[in-house]
Amino acid sequence: SAVISQKPSRDICQRGTSLTIQCQVDSQVTMMFWYRQQPGQSLTLIATANQGSEATYESGFVIDKFPISRPNLTFSTLTVSNMSPEDSSIYLCSGRDSNTEAFFGQGTRLTVV
Amino acid sequence: LAKTTQPISMDSYEGQEVNITCSHNNIATNDYITWYQQFPSQGPRFIIQGYKTKVTNEVASLFIPADRKSSTLSLPRVSLSDTAVYYCLVGDPNNAGNMLTFGGGTRLMVKP
Repeated sequence: SAVISQKPSRDICQRGTSLTIQCQVDSQVTMMFWYRQQPGQSLTLIATANQGSEATYESGFVIDKFPISRPNLTFSTLTVSNMSPEDSSIYLCSGRDSNTEAFFGQGTRLTVV
Repeated sequence: LAKTTQPISMDSYEGQEVNITCSHNNIATNDYITWYQQFPSQGPRFIIQGYKTKVTNEVASLFIPADRKSSTLSLPRVSLSDTAVYYCLVGDPNNAGNMLTFGGGTRLMVKP
């Protein structure tokens, strides 16, 4: 399956600042998704990153807080804006095509202090 | 989207066979059952997928009864390195836009 490179792998950020996480796939994929995973918890879908249009957000997540870009079929970014300690979590990107299993990046471990 | 229910945790010993059952009563006709494995500090990794009866690969077997309302992931002769969280998901693989909804997962601890 395709390989996703996600960076940074971890970061410690000051509250009130923003962090942009990058996700690069080694081949074109139809769909890309962003997830959040609290320590010891399952994955929660934040949004679907749509190529060339606005992302589709899940309930509880808004564009002003988590702006997403997807300029082409191999790249996407997620920004965590105006961070607070409650945003400390692992953020993962995922990609998939029809009739293929989803694949995931290694995740970005974010700590907000 | 079909909801899945799994045991929160399981313990096993090296060399044993482990069976993790997942309940998905509202599975749709076009849905497949897919299992993912997640190690600490890594993203989930695909293990196996099936629609009905039995599927086997080099890692695991997946048993799905005729009514498809449940499934069982079978890991033969587990080792310490199989300690991970295992997630059962249902969805239509032909629809790339069908986002994956993760349930709680089963935390498997393999002991020496």
